[in-house]
Amino acid sequence: KQEVTQIPAALSVPEGENLVLNCSFTDSAIYNLQWFRQDPGKGLTSLLLIQSSQREQTSGRLNASLDKSSGRSTLYIAASQPGDSATYLCAVKNTGFQKLVFGTGTRLLVSP
Amino acid sequence: DAGVIQSPRHEVTEMGQEVTLRCKPISGHNSLFWYRQTMMRGLELLIYFNNNVPIDDSGMPEDRFSAKMPNASFSTLKIQPSEPRDSAVYFCASSLAARFGVRRDSGNTIYFGEGSWLTVV
Repeated sequence: KQEVTQIPAALSVPEGENLVLNCSFTDSAIYNLQWFRQDPGKGLTSLLLIQSSQREQTSGRLNASLDKSSGRSTLYIAASQPGDSATYLCAVKNTGFQKLVFGTGTRLLVSP
Repeated sequence: DAGVIQSPRHEVTEMGQEVTLRCKPISGHNSLFWYRQTMMRGLELLIYFNNNVPIDDSGMPEDRFSAKMPNASFSTLKIQPSEPRDSAVYFCASSLAARFGVRRDSGNTIYFGEGSWLTVV
């Protein structure tokens, strides 16, 4: 059974810092991995999707990497801004299944 | 595109009442998912449909929960009778899965609605 863990559970940084969020999964037979952002009282917004054959994906100040063999993914946020404050969730899709298995998220606070 | 549309956004109901949550997926998407989010358990998949057919309902908590998708543009999640432990945010999501078989995977992005916040008192 796939289990997804995110560390840290919460992170508080001053504006401008570069930061890394971590995601680990127990079953390396994944099809893809997605990073989502969730603002309070809102749904989830997909940030980046990495296929199992890829090593990383980039979008603006965000970079996500994937190491299938070690069961890990990182989300790198460069030059953080207060508007980046949100909960970040990673989710994996195993090969042969449609369902996403979510981590419990990292709650990020970027202070001005 | 309007995105995934859910209603109601907020509902407060008394224990024992029937609750119906509604979802309109993104036009053209053929996979629809119902998730539940709580502080204790995070995001859990309840059920998903592919081409209007329920594929995996193993996450549905018990017989009080039922879901239907009568057509490609509408789905409901019903709780009858509701209980206080059903209080949660219920998300609907949709994606465009590969058309060569309902069991095959798609790498396509999944899009979430804004959720229905349910409180059962």
